[in-house]
Amino acid sequence: DTEVTQTPKHLVMGMTNKKSLKCEQHMGHRAMYWYKQKAKKPPELMFVYSYEKLSINESVPSRFSPECPNSSLLNLHLHALQPEDSALYLCASSQLLETGRTGNTIYFGEGSWLTVV
Amino acid sequence: DAKTTQPNSMESNEEEPVHLPCNHSTISGTDYIHWYRQLPSQGPEYVIHGLTSNVNNRMASLAIAEDRKSSTLILHRATLRDAAVYYCILRAYNQGGKLIFGQGTELSVKP
Repeated sequence: DTEVTQTPKHLVMGMTNKKSLKCEQHMGHRAMYWYKQKAKKPPELMFVYSYEKLSINESVPSRFSPECPNSSLLNLHLHALQPEDSALYLCASSQLLETGRTGNTIYFGEGSWLTVV
Repeated sequence: DAKTTQPNSMESNEEEPVHLPCNHSTISGTDYIHWYRQLPSQGPEYVIHGLTSNVNNRMASLAIAEDRKSSTLILHRATLRDAAVYYCILRAYNQGGKLIFGQGTELSVKP
């Protein structure tokens, strides 16, 4: 099973709402990622988790709050978003990175399409 | 972050080989070269990766220049399902192994 599952596939939320995006993998991967992708643009890295701990935050605004409750799950909590946050949010996972070993494959989910109104 | 340069778009005919170039003149000795592709309305999909030697798998071949400053992804027989955006990415362990996407090449395949 090389699948990363993201829910929901589509989400529409108001600027005052609180919602969450969920991601799950059962490949035993200990590194998980959130990316954001705007239309016609490449994915942009947001967060990286290693062993359920946040290891990289690419200066993402605090209205995006990641959480990794266990080794299989990754959440992205959304609060007080702006219309410009509307995008495709991609979750990904890989084997844990070790120094000098960056040949690991990263597996991506299908993404969650978020619209902020 | 290490940078890659790719043509914005390329066209191919179905069942012909496609050579997708990538320049990465600032590559360091420990950076792996990764290729991913993204089909419309889908998440990125791993294609192939390499360090120094040429690599082959069931999807494609990767040809790496001797000085590693450029590489070429080769699709041996393009099909309509290969129409996608292809990303050439350098993955550096000293940056936490982050996968940082460049602009990519949009490949269209004509029947």
